Amino acid sequence: DAGVIQSPRHEVTEMGQEVTLRCKPISGHNSLFWYRQTMMRGLELLIYFNNNVPIDDSGMPEDRFSAKMPNASFSTLKIQPSEPRDSAVYFCASSFDGTKYEQYFGPGTRLTVT
Amino acid sequence: GENVEQHPSTLSVQEGDSAVIKCTYSDSASNYFPWYKQELGKGPQLIIDIRSNVGEKKDQRIAVTLNKTAKHFSLHITETQPEDSAVYFCAALSGYALNFGKGTSLLVTP
Repeated sequence: DAGVIQSPRHEVTEMGQEVTLRCKPISGHNSLFWYRQTMMRGLELLIYFNNNVPIDDSGMPEDRFSAKMPNASFSTLKIQPSEPRDSAVYFCASSFDGTKYEQYFGPGTRLTVT
Repeated sequence: GENVEQHPSTLSVQEGDSAVIKCTYSDSASNYFPWYKQELGKGPQLIIDIRSNVGEKKDQRIAVTLNKTAKHFSLHITETQPEDSAVYFCAALSGYALNFGKGTSLLVTP
């Protein structure tokens, strides 16, 4: 299996621009997670999907952040408008069942907002 | 919510020595405790995990122990090698949310 796939791997954008991060989970997994990693806050959960439905988005920082999962093999995390404090590494992870089984992480997208 | 504390934040050992990383958690309902290894520029890689009905699990040079009464769990790496150098994260699963420790930067010197 190819594992969790994320794109782009690196993104540099200017403040105010829209940013879209993409994720393809492992085939057969029905749970998908978006995490953000920063030096200050470590790894924190942003949103959790189960069977393509958002179950918990309480970790999403503010309304500038939105996430979708139109089908079992694709998810996006969008930031509009972006701000310098959004600079971080964003990870997507997938699991066969989020409450019971292992979560596997993608390689991440390093976002820099100038 | 769940709070996971991890110690030490940095650890330096000589090749061949053992390394131990310790974590504590607060939510007594947590029932799954994975450990991840993260190398520079890569995503966290699951290396070993333990569930609440087991006290110890071993996989070659890596072992994890769990004390549910005291709410702490530990990662043990024996016969360390330079390629073990990385940041290690413990986590506790509360519901569906993995709550991570702040990480331990392990350096294994030849």
